[in-house]
Amino acid sequence: SQQGEEDPQALSIQEGENATMNCSYKTSINNLQWYRQNSGRGLVHLILIRSNEREKHSGRLRVTLDTSKKSSSLLITASRAADTASYFCATGGSGGYQKVTFGIGTKLQVIP
Amino acid sequence: KAGVTQTPRYLIKTRGQQVTLSCSPISGHRSVSWYQQTPGQGLQFLFEYFSETQRNKGNFPGRFSGRQFSNSRSEMNVSTLELGDSALYLCASSPLGGGQPQHFGDGTRLSIL
Repeated sequence: SQQGEEDPQALSIQEGENATMNCSYKTSINNLQWYRQNSGRGLVHLILIRSNEREKHSGRLRVTLDTSKKSSSLLITASRAADTASYFCATGGSGGYQKVTFGIGTKLQVIP
Repeated sequence: KAGVTQTPRYLIKTRGQQVTLSCSPISGHRSVSWYQQTPGQGLQFLFEYFSETQRNKGNFPGRFSGRQFSNSRSEMNVSTLELGDSALYLCASSPLGGGQPQHFGDGTRLSIL
């Protein structure tokens, strides 16, 4: 079963709007990562947030982490058509082992 | 630096055959992980290799196996192919594993007829 579950599964917005995706997970974590996948391509790492961090920014990306609720959110501000992709959260890989578990992803469509 | 390279990009096989997929990680990366991606199951972890040793394994049958060479290149083998093995197989590398960000290849699209 998936450790992370993204919500919503699909999201369609207009260019310039903000997009928010949520991720819930089941067990305790050392860190949580977000990845992007363009259609037919591999995943690209976006941002990593550690369990002792609550918020992290990278360009137009803002990630929050609430370990008490076992949830994280990814906010993309001022979206662009090029942001159209699937977004996945990933957890795991602690203790030197890379058994990372991915959620099922949120499919984001940004309409020009 | 060259990215993660997976070959071949596309492959068509029939049931019962076997297949070998190849992955060349980023130079200097010692951890290589394999994932299976399907529309229904999402991304499923297959296994991780580090310094030629399988360090972790997902919940897949023994038909799925892999290995890693001394130059960190990795291969994945699937024997006695089934229709359900049709998927995108992704390889990812990182310097040491252990929750570090992974760099993914573009995958091998395997179709079973």
